Amino acid sequence: ETGVTQSPTHLIKTRGQQVTLRCSSQSGHNTVSWYQQALGQGPQFIFQYYREEENGRGNFPPRFSGLQFPNYSSELNVNALELDDSALYLCASSSTYLAISSYNEQFFGPGTRLTVL
Amino acid sequence: GENVEQHPSTLSVQEGDSAVIKCTYSDSASNYFPWYKQELGKGPQLIIDIRSNVGEKKDQRIAVTLNKTAKHFSLHITETQPEDSAVYFCAASISSGSARQLTFGSGTQLTVLP
Repeated sequence: ETGVTQSPTHLIKTRGQQVTLRCSSQSGHNTVSWYQQALGQGPQFIFQYYREEENGRGNFPPRFSGLQFPNYSSELNVNALELDDSALYLCASSSTYLAISSYNEQFFGPGTRLTVL
Repeated sequence: GENVEQHPSTLSVQEGDSAVIKCTYSDSASNYFPWYKQELGKGPQLIIDIRSNVGEKKDQRIAVTLNKTAKHFSLHITETQPEDSAVYFCAASISSGSARQLTFGSGTQLTVLP
């Protein structure tokens, strides 16, 4: 069974640029959630994707957007980068089955470290 | 929205001693409470979780307790070992339809001294 993978591992961008981060979910999982973890803090929920649609969003502006593909992998896009966007971006995969009451245990990837200069 | 507070922020224990980390949550609708361990340079690893219909759960040296009335839950690690040193995060979760987002505490840096 393959775990959650993310790419790239590190990225350096300048303010105003755009960035795309990628995530491959764990085998058998159909839901992807994205979190932002600033240094020394707990992860903060950005949004979740299920059936290729956004399925819940945290308190993040519209310049944070995402996609989910038919193979359940996902992308996080951030436009007009700001210095405060520097953080570890984490992807978590889980299984959602509407017919079953599920607690959706979420399993995290290693993250992408984004530095905005 | 949900708010999770976690204490202490740092904890040092001697190898073999027990460690306890405590969290409180604000939204009584939360019904799932996972704990994650994060080592330097890695993503959070799920170590144990508890659901709102259970008061206690144990897995070898790790146990979690939940008090729904007081809205707090705790992680207990017994017989600590140096490899238990890491940052531990508690989280609370509400299910909104098919979506479930985790709200995390601010983390506890656990150091196990040999």
